[in-house]
Amino acid sequence: DAKTTQPTSMDCAEGRAANLPCNHSTISGNEYVYWYRQIHSQGPQYIIHGLKNNETNEMASLIITEDRKSSTLILPHATLRDTAVYYCIVSRSGNTPLVFGKGTRLSVIA
Amino acid sequence: DTGVSQDPRHKITKRGQNVTFRCDPISEHNRLYWYRQTLGQGPEFLTYFQNEAQLEKSRLLSDRFSAERPKGSFSTLEIQRTEQGDSAMYLCASSSQGQATYGYTFGSGTRLTVV
Repeated sequence: DAKTTQPTSMDCAEGRAANLPCNHSTISGNEYVYWYRQIHSQGPQYIIHGLKNNETNEMASLIITEDRKSSTLILPHATLRDTAVYYCIVSRSGNTPLVFGKGTRLSVIA
Repeated sequence: DTGVSQDPRHKITKRGQNVTFRCDPISEHNRLYWYRQTLGQGPEFLTYFQNEAQLEKSRLLSDRFSAERPKGSFSTLEIQRTEQGDSAMYLCASSSQGQATYGYTFGSGTRLTVV
């Protein structure tokens, strides 16, 4: 599976959009981009995934560049409860062992 | 369905003792995964099952570790002769093979402290 690079930490004001970047320049054509988050003392939570088209669900939007070498997770109106570590993972399937990096620690500030 | 359940939530044990953790996955999920997470790190893959078959084991899973999933339902992870380096959060997750592009559902984990 391709490796991903994420910033170590980010801050976001409450109510503003949080944009979390991820680089995956070695991604293969059949690999998906997955995003998970982990709130303190809980297990990771699936957020969203995509192959090449932009995706949106009730939690977030995922924007994947045309060359698929990077992506951005967007939380449109961040709340204090969105404070967590966000993991970007590249994998052929969400049903095989996923490789987690250190992720981005997002702090939403009132 | 209440999601993935792990028991116990916390375990403190003395070095050299054996410990066993249990994971109950979502009932219709046929894949079950074990991960370990230490402070400041992302979860590290240990092993996973499809039904009762153990399909893959990480090199992190030393001989002191054993995992089972009898009858393809709940799973147990046993650590023999615990060491202080085994102190970590042990996470279990499940997924459905029939939904191959969707993600896992994780439990809340078992935090092990070896003293």
